[in-house]
Amino acid sequence: EDKVVQSPLSLVVHEGDTVTLNCSYEVTNFRSLLWYKQEKKAPTFLFMLTSSGIEKKSGRLSSILDKKELFSILNITATQTGDSAVYLCAVEFVSSNTGKLIFGQGTTLQVKP
Amino acid sequence: DGGITQSPKYLFRKEGQNVTLSCEQNLNHDAMYWYRQDPGQGLRLIYYSQIVNDFQKGDIAEGYSVSREKKESFPLTVTSAQKNPTAFYLCASSYLTNEKLFFGSGTQLSVL
Repeated sequence: EDKVVQSPLSLVVHEGDTVTLNCSYEVTNFRSLLWYKQEKKAPTFLFMLTSSGIEKKSGRLSSILDKKELFSILNITATQTGDSAVYLCAVEFVSSNTGKLIFGQGTTLQVKP
Repeated sequence: DGGITQSPKYLFRKEGQNVTLSCEQNLNHDAMYWYRQDPGQGLRLIYYSQIVNDFQKGDIAEGYSVSREKKESFPLTVTSAQKNPTAFYLCASSYLTNEKLFFGSGTQLSVL
């Protein structure tokens, strides 16, 4: 069965800490892995990863994909209260000649002042 | 500004009632999607449409219906056949299917 599993499900840290969020997957015909940040309501796009070992970076956020071990990590350094959100991982793959996208459960991050 | 607009933000459904959630985008995207989000679960795909006048069932289509008469609009109807409709519903669109989805702000549906 195709699945995407995120860990931890929730995390509480203090401002300035560094956090690592994990996303592992089991799919056939992998195409890409995407990270989204969901504050309040609408998820917003963070990264799209297609190649192993190439780090994508945006400010204090970075992400990398390991296609051999089938996982990705999202790192946030020097966390701020504004980083508090649900972080969603999604994997795009091909099944029965059709592109599909499945989401993990999400990791809820709370950053305390 | 380009984006996706969902309405209403909150909706209440009575027993046996059909309700329709609106989703409009002005991003000129061909693909549009409806997801359901329940607490502690990931987003689950209800329906998607890759082009006007065509749509496909997702993983949890039972009890829902959609239409795609215009490129900009993809309304979702929650029918009385959906026995557990209470959830947060997200509409999304993308230029290419399943790539970099743009999401609306969601509709919280509750049952009276």
